[in-house]
Amino acid sequence: DAGVIQSPRHEVTEMGQEVTLRCKPISGHDYLFWYRQTMMRGLELLIYFNNNVPIDDSGMPEDRFSAKMPNASFSTLKIQPSEPRDSAVYFCASKLGQGTEAFFGQGTRLTVV
Amino acid sequence: AQSVAQPEDQVNVAEGNPLTVKCTYSVSGNPYLFWYVQYPNRGLQFLLKYITGDNLVKGSYGFEAEFNKSQTSFHLKKPSALVSDSALYFCAVRGPAVLDMRFGAGTRLTVKP
Repeated sequence: DAGVIQSPRHEVTEMGQEVTLRCKPISGHDYLFWYRQTMMRGLELLIYFNNNVPIDDSGMPEDRFSAKMPNASFSTLKIQPSEPRDSAVYFCASKLGQGTEAFFGQGTRLTVV
Repeated sequence: AQSVAQPEDQVNVAEGNPLTVKCTYSVSGNPYLFWYVQYPNRGLQFLLKYITGDNLVKGSYGFEAEFNKSQTSFHLKKPSALVSDSALYFCAVRGPAVLDMRFGAGTRLTVKP
């Protein structure tokens, strides 16, 4: 398996624009997580899914952020409208079952100017 | 609530010397503990985990960690550091009734030749 695949690797956008980040989890994994990494706040859990159902979205910072998982092999994180303070590296991770470790994608570096 | 603390932002060691990266946690119930490593511009890579069993856990690249329930700690260790071990290390915890992980702020390990 190629691991967790995220796209794009880098995204530069202007303030106010919509941004969509994409994630393909490892095949067969039933949990998917979205994290955000910044220097100031470290790694923050934004939302996670189990069997495509959102379980906990309490980490989503604002209504501008939304996440979907239409099927077991694809998830999106959307920011609309984007703001400069959204600039960060966004990671997607997946895992199988409860007692296991999560596998991370290489991240999407988002810059909002 | 679950949380994890990494008290050192930076650890410096000389190549060949033993290294320790500290982690303490707070969780309700028995903890699930993890160590991850992050190299520049990369995602997090799993090193090792403690779920149950032997308190000394061995992982990838010669790393090991010792679970100490009385001190609520899970320090990462390696007997002989390599320059290539230089990276950012994250400790993570989750409780048995919780499905998501919480990460520490990270410790930057620098191994000097």
